[in-house]
Amino acid sequence: LAKTTQPISMDSYEGQEVNITCSHNNIATNDYITWYQQFPSQGPRFIIQGYKTKVTNEVASLFIPADRKSSTLSLPRVSLSDTAVYYCLVGLSGAGSYQLTFGKGTKLSVIP
Amino acid sequence: EAGVTQFPSHSVIEKGQTVTLRCDPISGHDNLYWYRRVMGKEIKFLLHFVKESKQDESGMPNNRFLAERTGGTYSTLKVQPAELEDSGVYFCASSHSMTSGRGYEQFFGPGTRLTVL
Repeated sequence: LAKTTQPISMDSYEGQEVNITCSHNNIATNDYITWYQQFPSQGPRFIIQGYKTKVTNEVASLFIPADRKSSTLSLPRVSLSDTAVYYCLVGLSGAGSYQLTFGKGTKLSVIP
Repeated sequence: EAGVTQFPSHSVIEKGQTVTLRCDPISGHDNLYWYRRVMGKEIKFLLHFVKESKQDESGMPNNRFLAERTGGTYSTLKVQPAELEDSGVYFCASSHSMTSGRGYEQFFGPGTRLTVL
């Protein structure tokens, strides 16, 4: 499974746009890129998934360049409640088992 | 709809004892997963059920761990006998069937914190 590298932590002021970049140099052709969010004492929560170019939903945007060796999660106008750990995962190639492989994640702290 | 629930939220046992964790997935979800995070480590996959069948148990650490999903509804994860290194947070997740096109999104429960003394 492709290994991912992302910042250990980031700080942001409320109202700013936050971009978290993830490197996945060994991503396979069939792999998707997925981001999860985890608040303290809770399980991870799906945010967004993409394969290439750009994906947007009500929560975030995901930018994937043509070579797919990296991706950027963009959170518009963050609030204090966005303080959490954000995980970038690659895989889910449909081989029958959709086990998720988590890395260390990026701890985002939003400050007033 | 109700989310994934896990019981208990926290369990403290002594080394050598047995503990059983329970997971109730979202109703109608065929896929059920167990994960765990031991202290200071990443969340690791344990196993995957499709309905009542074990699809992938490659992450189970050893034969002290036994997972069941009789009837394809709730699942239990038994640790017998528990060791100190089993301490951590055990997460359960569920998802729609793969053929639905929505199986990629896993819904996680809040986890069970297991402390082995």
